[in-house]
Amino acid sequence: AQTVTQSQPEMSVQEAETVTLSCTYDTSESDYYLFWYKQPPSRQMILVIRQEAYKQQNATENRFSVNFQKAAKSFSLKISDSQLGDAAMYFCAYRRLGGSQGNLIFGKGTKLSVKP
Amino acid sequence: NAGVMQNPRHLVRRRGQEARLRCSPMKGHSHVYWYRQLPEEGLKFMVYLQKENIIDESGMPKERFSAEFPKEGPSILRIQQVVRGDSAAYFCASSTLNEKLFFGSGTQLSVL
Repeated sequence: AQTVTQSQPEMSVQEAETVTLSCTYDTSESDYYLFWYKQPPSRQMILVIRQEAYKQQNATENRFSVNFQKAAKSFSLKISDSQLGDAAMYFCAYRRLGGSQGNLIFGKGTKLSVKP
Repeated sequence: NAGVMQNPRHLVRRRGQEARLRCSPMKGHSHVYWYRQLPEEGLKFMVYLQKENIIDESGMPKERFSAEFPKEGPSILRIQQVVRGDSAAYFCASSTLNEKLFFGSGTQLSVL
């Protein structure tokens, strides 16, 4: 069975600095999707970034980028120029290529605090 | 275009009662997904529905839990004879086919 592990329960970053959140996963599949979701205090999950495993190029969305290491099964999220609004829980998630759209496997999350 | 609407926001039930959680997907979305989030945990997939059909219920407990998404009206997640272990946040998401998921703000179920 696939698993997703986030080894950092909490992280802290100074405003305008860069922070990296770690995620590792375990799968025997060769093709799959990986995601980072943000859950602010409002609790509504928001997609931050998505990576297809067959793409070697790391995904980027504005200040958010990933370091996808397929052989190491690692999928870290880098947040540059951190802003106060980035403070939230961040969840890494996995989905099988043939799986249903919403059948995601989530890690336990990392709580990110941003200091002014 | 309103987002995914879940109600109630908070629901309190006594052991043995029934809980009914509602989810209205975004306009134009015909795919709905339900998740459960226990404290200090990530979301766990429960069920995926299209209008009037259950597509994937691999994460749904075999007993006491059921879900529907009728032709008209919201999707309903129903939990019969609730127990303390059912206390959790229940989230719904919706999408069009093969597109990005949009999540609601969840229903916090507390079982006394």
